[in-house]
Amino acid sequence: KQEVTQIPAALSVPEGENLVLNCSFTDSAIYNLQWFRQDPGKGLTSLLLIQSSQREQTSGRLNASLDKSSGRSTLYIAASQPGDSATYLCAVGNYGQNFVFGPGTRLSVLP
Amino acid sequence: SQTIHQWPATLVQPVGSPLSLECTVEGTSNPNLYWYRQAAGRGLQLLFYSVGIGQISSEVPQNLSASRPQDRQFILSSKKLLLSDSGFYLCAWSGPRLWGDTEAFFGQGTRLTVV
Repeated sequence: KQEVTQIPAALSVPEGENLVLNCSFTDSAIYNLQWFRQDPGKGLTSLLLIQSSQREQTSGRLNASLDKSSGRSTLYIAASQPGDSATYLCAVGNYGQNFVFGPGTRLSVLP
Repeated sequence: SQTIHQWPATLVQPVGSPLSLECTVEGTSNPNLYWYRQAAGRGLQLLFYSVGIGQISSEVPQNLSASRPQDRQFILSSKKLLLSDSGFYLCAWSGPRLWGDTEAFFGQGTRLTVV
């Protein structure tokens, strides 16, 4: 059974810092991995989708990498801004199964 | 472009009352549809998913049920709410293959408080 963990659970950084959020999964036979952002009391917004054949995806200041063999993905946020404050979740898709979500990392970017 | 609508945004219901939450998707055909619950301080729990009209799969036993009367409409229901049904309910859709194969998109959620 796939299990997904995210470290750290919470992170507080000053504005302008580059930061890395981590996602680990136990079953490396994944189809893809998706990163989401959730603002308080809101739904999930898709940030990046990485297919199993890809090693990274980029969107603006966000870069997500995937290392299937080690069961890890990282979300890199460059030049963080207060508007980046939110909870970030990763979700892993296994063949023929529904996504399994991690517990999330709560990010606070201080002005 | 595709959009997903979920309503109501917030709901306060007494214990024992019925529940109906609705989710509709626009701009796509034959989507896979999902209901998730997010309890305070906890992760997302998949409740139901549907790959077609009238086809519902339940992931966990509970006081809730789901129906898909139309291709792009997904309804979450209960005949009698329990206090433990309180939470944040999210509807999602993905392409017409099992979710693990395609990107997923979420609605804005319904905050349900059972009192």
